[in-house]
Amino acid sequence: GNSVTQMEGPVTLSEEAFLTINCTYTATGYPSLFWYVQYPGEGLQLLLKATKADDKGSNKGFEATYRKETTSFHLEKGSVQVSDSAVYFCALSYGNEKLTFGTGTRLTIIP
Amino acid sequence: DGGITQSPKYLFRKEGQNVTLSCEQNLNHDAMYWYRQDPGQGLRLIYYSQIVNDFQKGDIAEGYSVSREKKESFPLTVTSAQKNPTAFYLCASSQDSYKNIQYFGAGTRLSVL
Repeated sequence: GNSVTQMEGPVTLSEEAFLTINCTYTATGYPSLFWYVQYPGEGLQLLLKATKADDKGSNKGFEATYRKETTSFHLEKGSVQVSDSAVYFCALSYGNEKLTFGTGTRLTIIP
Repeated sequence: DGGITQSPKYLFRKEGQNVTLSCEQNLNHDAMYWYRQDPGQGLRLIYYSQIVNDFQKGDIAEGYSVSREKKESFPLTVTSAQKNPTAFYLCASSQDSYKNIQYFGAGTRLSVL
């Protein structure tokens, strides 16, 4: 079946540091890939997505590239801010199958 | 503003009691979903509905029930058969099951007294 493996947290970084959160997947065919973000006390929000190999999703300074050869969709940001502190979820879907989520990575940015 | 409204924000259940969590959306979406979130386990799908008057079990449906009598509403009942109900419950909707961008409510935190 489909699955998503995320970098375990928590991750703590200083403001303006470079961020990478690793995500790899197992799926039949070519799934769509997503990053969702959950701010404290809230539901999830879509951060970015990519629907085919070599696509790059980007939003709010975050980027992730769909790498078919390594079955990866790592999340990156060049300079994090305190407001980026949240839990980040990698997810995939294939066809009309439901979203499969990773376990989430808690990110804390210290001033 | 369009969106998904979950209520209540906090809910307490006594032993042997059924409780119902509300989820309403005004996005005109066909598909709706209920997830359970536990620390360190990500989101697990409880039930989903692709259309009014139809719903399917997700990965952890035991001890839960749902109804979909209206397009806008998808309430979740946590029954007394669910022995470990303490969790954060999230409702989501999408335009249809092929449009996999899901929009989430703010969640309901359920605790057992």
